Amino acid sequence: DTAVSQTPKYLVTQMGNDKSIKCEQNLGHDTMYWYKQDSKKFLKIMFSYNNKELIINETVPNRFSPKSPDKAHLNLHINSLELGDSAVYFCASSQAGQGTQQYFGPGTRLTVT
Amino acid sequence: KQEVTQIPAALSVPEGENLVLNCSFTDSAIYNLQWFRQDPGKGLTSLLLIQSSQREQTSGRLNASLDKSSGRSTLYIAASQPGDSATYLCAVRPRNSGYALNFGKGTSLLVTP
Repeated sequence: DTAVSQTPKYLVTQMGNDKSIKCEQNLGHDTMYWYKQDSKKFLKIMFSYNNKELIINETVPNRFSPKSPDKAHLNLHINSLELGDSAVYFCASSQAGQGTQQYFGPGTRLTVT
Repeated sequence: KQEVTQIPAALSVPEGENLVLNCSFTDSAIYNLQWFRQDPGKGLTSLLLIQSSQREQTSGRLNASLDKSSGRSTLYIAASQPGDSATYLCAVRPRNSGYALNFGKGTSLLVTP
């Protein structure tokens, strides 16, 4: 069974559209994350979220918003897509706590045309 | 602000060689350090997790060390194989990050038969 899953795997869309990427984890973790990997393969945190706290990387445009219907899901919604949003987006999860390991999903490759 | 640097950026070795990948970080206030492997077009696979109180972790042919005071970690791969070819990412969890990881840009490893 996949521990952290994302859908879709590939997403091609036009500028100005609104899209969502879904993430689900079956590990029972209470903290989830979204990371962005740019064209140079550099991974940066976008959000970390548990049922108590949302921490947003200050560089993330407010067109991006995480939405969590329950503890096992953290979806990423993007409004008014721009060319520069093209990247691979990774979801991850961990138990809350200082020393815990993060588990990553397979990634969603977003291409904005 | 925590910065993570990985050297070298790319490495090519013949099969069977032992090799060392280096990771340095600027702020020693971390909870842990994690080494990942990323295959082309794929997600991240966690290789080793070292807590801030630990000096090293081993898994099979992999050994990772941590010198928190000097801000350095190494990943040692023994008897390299072509299947080890991938990008290796180092990530630290800073104490002020809200549990998110700060990644290096990775070392791209090619092991030739």
